[in-house]
Amino acid sequence: EAGVAQSPRYKIIEKRQSVAFWCNPISGHATLYWYQQILGQGPKLLIQFQNNGVVDDSQLPKDRFSAERLKGVDSTLKIQPAKLEDSAVYLCASSLGQVNTGELFFGEGSRLTVL
Amino acid sequence: DQQVKQNSPSLSVQEGRISILNCDYTNSMFDYFLWYKKYPAEGPTFLISISSIKDKNEDGRFTVFLNKSAKHLSLHIVPSQPGDSAVYFCVIGITGGGNKLTFGTGTQLKVEL
Repeated sequence: EAGVAQSPRYKIIEKRQSVAFWCNPISGHATLYWYQQILGQGPKLLIQFQNNGVVDDSQLPKDRFSAERLKGVDSTLKIQPAKLEDSAVYLCASSLGQVNTGELFFGEGSRLTVL
Repeated sequence: DQQVKQNSPSLSVQEGRISILNCDYTNSMFDYFLWYKKYPAEGPTFLISISSIKDKNEDGRFTVFLNKSAKHLSLHIVPSQPGDSAVYFCVIGITGGGNKLTFGTGTQLKVEL
């Protein structure tokens, strides 16, 4: 079974530029998550989709971050304009149902460096 | 306000010995607990879980202990192997909380030969 796919793996941009990350979840997984992991910290949930609807985006900095999941499959996370503090690994994850016994699966992440 | 605390950023253990990773949480409403492991340049992967109705769960070399009164859980790895070297995240959630998980800051485990 194919896992969660993310691209690009690495991206370096100047501050105030824009960047987009793509995620393809495990086939059939209705719920998709974007996490931000800053160096030395644990992953923090940015946004959660159920099919193509947003379930939780309370921690998404909406002045610069946006995400969409058209057709309820692939998702794109965009940052515009980027700030230095946005340097982090952006992890996409997906789940089929409840995650209380470990059914949350992560991609390898997209590492962003903002100079 | 950190709801999940892993106070040891790093831990070094000799191969074959026991590794003990600790985690404290603040909210007694949390009722399921997981450990995820992360290797460099990879995403976190699930290791072991425990629900609040249990105080111990074992899976091979890995055992998780839960002390609800102390709001503390720990992961024991015995015997530790070099392949266990990774970052371990304590992760907690609330049943009915919409799959919203809270991650600790992680503990970097290094198992030395």
